[in-house]
Parts: sequence; structure tokens; C-alpha cells
Amino acid sequence: DAGVTQSPTHLIKTRGQQVTLRCSPKSGHDTVSWYQQALGQGPQFIFQYYEEEERQRGNFPDRFSGHQFPNYSSELNVNALLLGDSALYLCASSLGAGEQFFGPGTRLTVL
Amino acid sequence: AQSVSQHNHHVILSEAASLELGCNYSYGGTVNLFWYVQYPGQHLQLLLKYFSGDPLVKGIKGFEAEFIKSKFSFNLRKPSVQWSDTAEYFCAVNANTNAGKSTFGDGTTLTVKP
Repeated sequence: DAGVTQSPTHLIKTRGQQVTLRCSPKSGHDTVSWYQQALGQGPQFIFQYYEEEERQRGNFPDRFSGHQFPNYSSELNVNALLLGDSALYLCASSLGAGEQFFGPGTRLTVL
Repeated sequence: AQSVSQHNHHVILSEAASLELGCNYSYGGTVNLFWYVQYPGQHLQLLLKYFSGDPLVKGIKGFEAEFIKSKFSFNLRKPSVQWSDTAEYFCAVNANTNAGKSTFGDGTTLTVKP
């Protein structure tokens, strides 16, 4: 049984570009949450998707958007990248509000 | 708004020493509490969790944590650490009524010397 998978592993972009990160949840899970983990800090909640809708959102600007597909996989999109968007982006899946399982993350570097 | 404070940024111990990592949270309502561990090169894993009931929670690998409601604390303990416990530890909280949105502390890096 595969756990949470994320792609790509690493990504390098330049300021102003757009990026799409992908997440496949653990089998049987229907809820996906995205977190941003800057260097030396804990993960910060970006948003959560359930039933293909954004259910909750943290304090992130509209440049951060997402999508959930019928198979429960999810994408995180970030537009107009800033240097400060450089971070590890974590995806966590759960069955509803149950225990979250985290993926390995995508390391985004913005130059 | 919820917040989590982890007292120690970096802890260095020798093998067999006892461990206690502090965690305090601020939130006025009922909470769920978690400790996660991130071993070098690996992803976040759940060590233990508290939802309700016995405030002393036992997790994997000999870790335990005690929820003290009056102190808004959820400290992590282990009687005797091993070199393999070297990792980063994160305390997290979410509101019982909003369980999908977790707030994390900034983590404590534990280095265990052999």
C-alpha cells in the first residue's frame, strides 16, 4: 500500500513564474491538506481539499490555489513566484478529519 | 488563532539520557495534540496523539507525552534516548471542531551522541 506520494521531488523556478505541485493521497483517503515548511520552521497550513472543494484555508495569498480531482489526488499551484516562496511543500492526506499522513514533500527553490 | 511554542530549538544528549521536549499551545477550546518526528532524509511521521481520555499518551519507539490542560502543555518524554532518536521533533495542535487544520511549532532538533 503506497503512502502519500508527491511530485516532483525538487523544482527550481525564477521569480514571476508559475509552478504546479502534485500529490497522490494514501489509498482510502479522501482529504488532502497542503503545508509550506520554510527552512528552520514548522509546517504552515495552506489549505485543505475535500470532495473536490477547498474546505479550509490558512493565511496565504490568492497566488496559492489548488485543485482536487475525482480520484482524490490534488495539485497546488503558485503564481507569480517570489523568492520567499522557496520552501518544502508538504502534502498530507487523511480520511475526513482523521490522522494525517505526510508525503516526502517537494523542495521548491525560487531564484 | 492557535499557536504552538516549542521551548528548545536544539537539544544535545548522550545515549541513555532522559529526554523531555517542551510544547505549549494557545487556544481556548478543545484541542487535539500531536507529536511528529522527521528523521534525516525522511518525511514527517506521527509519534503520538491525544484526542481525549487519559492525558498520558504512549506512542511508538518508547515515547510518551502528557497533556496538562491547566498549563496548555503537551511535553514529550523518553526515559532513555538512543542514537537513532536523532531527528527533528514537531508539536502540533488542531481544534477539535476544525481537525483538518493543524498548527505546528517550529520544531526541536535532537542530536543524540553515541
